[in-house]
Amino acid sequence: GESVGLHLPTLSVQEGDNSIINCAYSNSASDYFIWYKQESGKGPQFIIDIRSNMDKRQGQRVTVLLNKTVKHLSLQIAATQPGDSAVYFCAENGQGAQKLVFGQGTRLTINP
Amino acid sequence: GAVVSQHPSWVICKSGTSVKIECRSLDFQATTMFWYRQFPKQSLMLMATSNEGSKATYEQGVEKDKFLINHASLTLSTLTVTSAHPEDSSFYICSPSRAGTRAAFFGQGTRLTVV
Repeated sequence: GESVGLHLPTLSVQEGDNSIINCAYSNSASDYFIWYKQESGKGPQFIIDIRSNMDKRQGQRVTVLLNKTVKHLSLQIAATQPGDSAVYFCAENGQGAQKLVFGQGTRLTINP
Repeated sequence: GAVVSQHPSWVICKSGTSVKIECRSLDFQATTMFWYRQFPKQSLMLMATSNEGSKATYEQGVEKDKFLINHASLTLSTLTVTSAHPEDSSFYICSPSRAGTRAAFFGQGTRLTVV
């Protein structure tokens, strides 16, 4: 269902380390998932997507892992850079449904 | 990706006035437009879905007479916040949907402040 967060979880990492951001989803019928990056005052920016017939997909410095058994999604960012500081949202989409349902988001901060 | 232009990026208005937000898909035809609202430190909440040439479908709890959506063309949709009140202050984001793709792309957002 819809997710509304009263506060954002925060992940702090050292510059150069890998970041792992997690997301749990509730709808077992969801078959398409997207990760978005949202910088302050801007709209969400598409990062990477994955369909339910896959369990891993890689992009440039990012990897998405999907575990359908436990309804869990993760985003791994390699060699985290200061420009990666943002709020990251996962979103899910059920078969035949156009609208996305967003997770609560995680704020990623980079320590120099 | 897709090029989406949302305007204005921010607006301050007096309580009781109306504000119109425009969303344009610049390089594709948007058969469907989604409008979201985002309060500080919260996630995006879908307000309504509109198909070109049809009336919008509103999510539960969203007043259709307060948030007027027009989607008269495949490249332009507008959201008008009528008789705005301070509690309507929020970040409004459009997301035009392109036929044949499930990935969603978003406008830059509009920060509305009602004083």
